[in-house]
Amino acid sequence: AQSVTQLGSHVSVSEGALVLLRCNYSSSVPPYLFWYVQYPNQGLQLLLKYTSAATLVKGINGFEAEFKKSETSFHLTKPSAHMSDAAEYFCAVPDWGSNFGNEKLTFGTGTRLTIIP
Amino acid sequence: DGGITQSPKYLFRKEGQNVTLSCEQNLNHDAMYWYRQDPGQGLRLIYYSQIVNDFQKGDIAEGYSVSREKKESFPLTVTSAQKNPTAFYLCASSIRANVLTFGAGSRLTVL
Repeated sequence: AQSVTQLGSHVSVSEGALVLLRCNYSSSVPPYLFWYVQYPNQGLQLLLKYTSAATLVKGINGFEAEFKKSETSFHLTKPSAHMSDAAEYFCAVPDWGSNFGNEKLTFGTGTRLTIIP
Repeated sequence: DGGITQSPKYLFRKEGQNVTLSCEQNLNHDAMYWYRQDPGQGLRLIYYSQIVNDFQKGDIAEGYSVSREKKESFPLTVTSAQKNPTAFYLCASSIRANVLTFGAGSRLTVL
């Protein structure tokens, strides 16, 4: 089954600094990869989605992610952090090994981003 | 506005009681899901349904039950057999291409 690993359960950056949240997928190249964001006591919102069309994916709120096959990575970045970026971020991959095919998503354990004023 | 409505937002249960969490969507999505969220563990899939009157177990289905009698509705029952039910429960739906739309969640606390 496909899986993703998020390194760093907590990340703190200063306001205006670069945000880098790490996600690595298991060895098989997935057809899709996702980043979702969750604000406190809310559901998840889609930040961005990778398909095979482009390795650099731009999402909402100034975030982007780059798919690197050689590193099995799909790290999320933002050039300049804003206080409103404080949230939990989840990487997700479809688990096409299940009977449900590629509509079942497997999520990473999440990274909580704190912004220091 | 189209979206997913989960209710109640907060729920308290005594040990030994069954409780049902509601999930309603007006997005005309075929697939619906229930995830459980615990601190540090991400989201784990409980049950999912692709079409009306059909559903499959996810990774942690023990102690839970669901029904899918209508396309719009996918209620989750947390039974007394679930030994550690305190968690944040998220309902989601999707059309093709894997993009999930989530509800705002229901927080269940066992007293």
